[in-house]
Formats: sequence, C-alpha cells, structure tokens
Amino acid sequence: AQKVTQAQTEISVVEKEDVTLDCVYETRDTTYYLFWYKQPPSGELVFLIRRNSFDEQNEISGRYSWNFQKSTSSFNFTITASQVVDSAVYFCALSNSGGSNYKLTFGKGTLLTVNP
Amino acid sequence: SAVISQKPSRDICQRGTSLTIQCQVDSQVTMMFWYRQQPGQSLTLIATANQGSEATYESGFVIDKFPISRPNLTFSTLTVSNMSPEDSSIYLCSVPRMDPNEQFFGPGTRLTVL
Repeated sequence: AQKVTQAQTEISVVEKEDVTLDCVYETRDTTYYLFWYKQPPSGELVFLIRRNSFDEQNEISGRYSWNFQKSTSSFNFTITASQVVDSAVYFCALSNSGGSNYKLTFGKGTLLTVNP
Repeated sequence: SAVISQKPSRDICQRGTSLTIQCQVDSQVTMMFWYRQQPGQSLTLIATANQGSEATYESGFVIDKFPISRPNLTFSTLTVSNMSPEDSSIYLCSVPRMDPNEQFFGPGTRLTVL
C-alpha cells in the first residue's frame, strides 16, 4: 500500500522567510513518481513538480527547490524568501509507474500562511 | 498542459437531489479521473473514467452513488446522486499528460448540500 505523510498541518511565516514543507512517503515499488501541487484559496490544483524514483537530483525553480532523498523516503519542498502569494495548501502526492496506473495518493496537505 | 474545464464551478443543492458535473478537455485523452476533496481534507480518488467501458471505482465508492459517463475521449460526467450534507466537497477531474504519471486537474466544482 502507498502512503504519503505531511506531518505539518499548518505553517505560518513572515514574508521573506524561508520555509520547508516536509513529505515522507511509503511504497513497495521500486519505480514511482512524486509530485507537489499547490492549492490556493480559489481551489484549483496547480502542478508544481514531478520527480521519478530514479532521479535523485535536487531541483531548483526560481524561489522553489525540492530535496529528494530515497534513503529517508522524503521529498521536501523549500520556498526561499516567501511571499504573501505563496499562501496556499501544498500537497505532496505519489503514484506508481507501470501499466496504466496513474492514480495519485495524496498527503493531507500543509496550509502555508505567509504574513506581510 | 491540457486545458480542462468543469461545469458548474459551484452549486448549492438540496438533500436528496442529484447533480451532474461535467469535465471537458481540449485534447483527446485515454483516461480521466474523478477526485473528491472534502472540507479541509486531502484528495481522494473516486474512479477512473474509461472511454467505451464502465468506470473503475475505488474502494468506498459505488456506481449507484457516483455514476460516471465517458461518451468520448474529451468529455466525462460525474453524477452525485441522492445527495446528503456529507457529499459537500470539491469534485475535481484530472487527466494525464502524454508523459505518463503526470496529471493536471480541472478547476473543480464546489458543491454544498443543505
């Protein structure tokens, strides 16, 4: 069975602070995919990144960076110099590859509030 | 990324009634998925909408409560039947991109049942 744990239910920071959102996953498969999505108050789900299990390189995109560590089954997300517009719920998700299995297992989400 | 639209964007319904949610994609896709997000909760997969065959439902979801249609490769509907306040949720459809295991989501339908 697959499982995604986001232990931080809510995080509150002041603008310009750096913040890291944690994600720990469980799967028995050797090939899998990890995702981060952002859900702003409007409700839509915005795709941020996908990482496959064979690529442990960290990725940076502007103020966003992701740290994938298979040894600890973690895929953490850092926002540098946070802004008010970053306020949203962030979901980490997992899917397995192979066949036609595109189903996503989501964590419970972390509500990030960035205060001015 | 695929452009995905949903109708209605939101609705308020009475207990015991049914609501059909539409999902339209701007390109042909083999599979479409329907998710539910209850208030303050994460997303849970309801079913996979297969073109030309019956939908595949996840544990805890049944066809009588959530009938799904998939008449072609760009369109699907999800009906929430005999609604109760517990059905108040955001319902989202999603489609995979050509690259497997990458999914994009529609804007969601925010349903409130009184």
